[in-house]
Amino acid sequence: ETGVTQSPTHLIKTRGQQVTLRCSSQSGHNTVSWYQQALGQGPQFIFQYYREEENGRGNFPPRFSGLQFPNYSSELNVNALELDDSALYLCASSKTYNEQFFGPGTRLTVL
Amino acid sequence: SQQGEEDPQALSIQEGENATMNCSYKTSINNLQWYRQNSGRGLVHLILIRSNEREKHSGRLRVTLDTSKKSSSLLITASRAADTASYFCATSGTDSWGKLQFGAGTQVVVTP
Repeated sequence: ETGVTQSPTHLIKTRGQQVTLRCSSQSGHNTVSWYQQALGQGPQFIFQYYREEENGRGNFPPRFSGLQFPNYSSELNVNALELDDSALYLCASSKTYNEQFFGPGTRLTVL
Repeated sequence: SQQGEEDPQALSIQEGENATMNCSYKTSINNLQWYRQNSGRGLVHLILIRSNEREKHSGRLRVTLDTSKKSSSLLITASRAADTASYFCATSGTDSWGKLQFGAGTQVVVTP
């Protein structure tokens, strides 16, 4: 158990809809990162939040957005869902410059 | 694009044998981390090795890092059926410490 939780576990949406995924960081961690993992591939970095500010972004379009709250919980929002957005979404929390600890993930299916 | 590339893509061994997998990367790093993932679930952090370190041990795990060759290896000694999983290396760049770049992973199957 890493102390990082994610909700929901599974989610089914249709193309064009919007989705919000949630993450609760491990206590004492000030940084949260989000990753997308397609089937059979390694995770791809979406973005990172440090003290409620975006602190780096991967190669993802603006319809992927996020928030980090004062209690270090976080949200990933995806607008205008596409079929290729179907993936496992992972959040990871860390203290600056240290190991990232991952949650169990949210499996998103877009039909 | 993937920064790290694991080799082999798949590995099948028997319990008690050692498992070795390699990771190569392209750009300068701050550190390299190894993770395990069971059946598409969350990643479990195994070990972090910093760019100024050459070898690190944790239980049955041994990790080496050769920054001149931009490569790392993970050795699991005396493997168990419970070690069956996918293993990923992830690099953290010198100018982007929080952005982990993963390879495609090595799928390890340990048979009793």
